[in-house]
Amino acid sequence: GAVVSQHPSWVICKSGTSVKIECRSLDFQATTMFWYRQFPKQSLMLMATSNEGSKATYEQGVEKDKFLINHASLTLSTLTVTSAHPEDSSFYICSATRDRSYEQYFGPGTRLTVT
Amino acid sequence: DAKTTQPNSMESNEEEPVHLPCNHSTISGTDYIHWYRQLPSQGPEYVIHGLTSNVNNRMASLAIAEDRKSSTLILHRATLRDAAVYYCILSIRDNDMRFGAGTRLTVKP
Repeated sequence: GAVVSQHPSWVICKSGTSVKIECRSLDFQATTMFWYRQFPKQSLMLMATSNEGSKATYEQGVEKDKFLINHASLTLSTLTVTSAHPEDSSFYICSATRDRSYEQYFGPGTRLTVT
Repeated sequence: DAKTTQPNSMESNEEEPVHLPCNHSTISGTDYIHWYRQLPSQGPEYVIHGLTSNVNNRMASLAIAEDRKSSTLILHRATLRDAAVYYCILSIRDNDMRFGAGTRLTVKP
């Protein structure tokens, strides 16, 4: 149990366009979902934390108007990269937690390439 | 957030035990010690966590120093599939985790 999926697994888009990445908890209700970004050969960097039905909390230095997070249900969170630029190319990973669990369940990641 | 220090890389031979150290000298009394690992081009995977006592599960063991300022993740018999980056993370709240650089484990056949 406790599977998290992401869609798409990879995407290529042109500079200036927007891209939406979905994160779903498949077999549990996620109390909280997290979005991370990982550049090549670097560690994961927490971008934002979101709870269902409320606004996401962004980490310092992460532009909330550029990285729009919507957490509409207990099983779905979306990250939209607006007006993407080549420097936004990265591996985006979501995770989810559920009540009374110490684990974060991570999705497989989405590789975004902006040309 | 309390910081952790891990070696950048370690090597092991297949079928042998591996001890991955983590220093966390500024750990607070309510910090849990979590270990995750990440295989190439995948999301991280939970390995184990603990607070004060040593912990065992089917993947690994976690040995926590008495003063809690360090811990060691033990893989009892490394396999090639254990080659990954291992992250030691402290979390005051079980939902808030900040990843450090981790240790890249190479397993040699």
